[in-house]
Amino acid sequence: DSGVTQTPKHLITATGQRVTLRCSPRSGDLSVYWYQQSLDQGLQFLIQYYNGEERAKGNILERFSAQQFPDLHSELNLSSLELGDSALYFCASSAANGNTGELFFGEGSRLTVL
Amino acid sequence: GQQLNQSPQSMFIQEGEDVSMNCTSSSIFNTWLWYKQDPGEGPVLLIALYKAGELTSNGRLTAQFGITRKDSFLNISASIPSDVGIYFCAGPGHSGAGSYQLTFGKGTKLSVIP
Repeated sequence: DSGVTQTPKHLITATGQRVTLRCSPRSGDLSVYWYQQSLDQGLQFLIQYYNGEERAKGNILERFSAQQFPDLHSELNLSSLELGDSALYFCASSAANGNTGELFFGEGSRLTVL
Repeated sequence: GQQLNQSPQSMFIQEGEDVSMNCTSSSIFNTWLWYKQDPGEGPVLLIALYKAGELTSNGRLTAQFGITRKDSFLNISASIPSDVGIYFCAGPGHSGAGSYQLTFGKGTKLSVIP
């Protein structure tokens, strides 16, 4: 158990819909990262938050947004969903700004868009 | 952006055999990390390497940080069925403002035949 909690574990929805994925980091961790894992692309970095502020952006689509709340949990919002958005979405956390690279991953949220 | 190339993409081995996989980068990394993802789970950190030439072991796993800082190797000795999974190499990519995020290779999928 990494200590990172993600909900929901599975989500099935239709194209054009909007979903919200939730992540609770390990106790005390200030940084939260979102990654997308699809079959052909591996683990793609989406976005990082540190203590409530956006710190880094990766290959995140404009239809996607995220935020980190004062209690440090984070939400990833995916809107106008397309078939290609079907993937595993992982949240990870680290104690500081991730300089050491040691991230702790949750079990992921599997999104299926039909 | 930075790219990590892992090889082989997949491998099937007999239980008890040793395994070698590697990761190369188009740019220099100051840290190399190896993660393992079990089926249905998030990636878990196996070994972290922080110095060129460093050789680090974790049980039956041994990883090396290449002298050129552009490659790393992971060896698993005397494989067992629970070694099945996807092994990822990763390195921290600098994204400005003192912020880092991990770049992952596409993984090596290991299957162990009992």
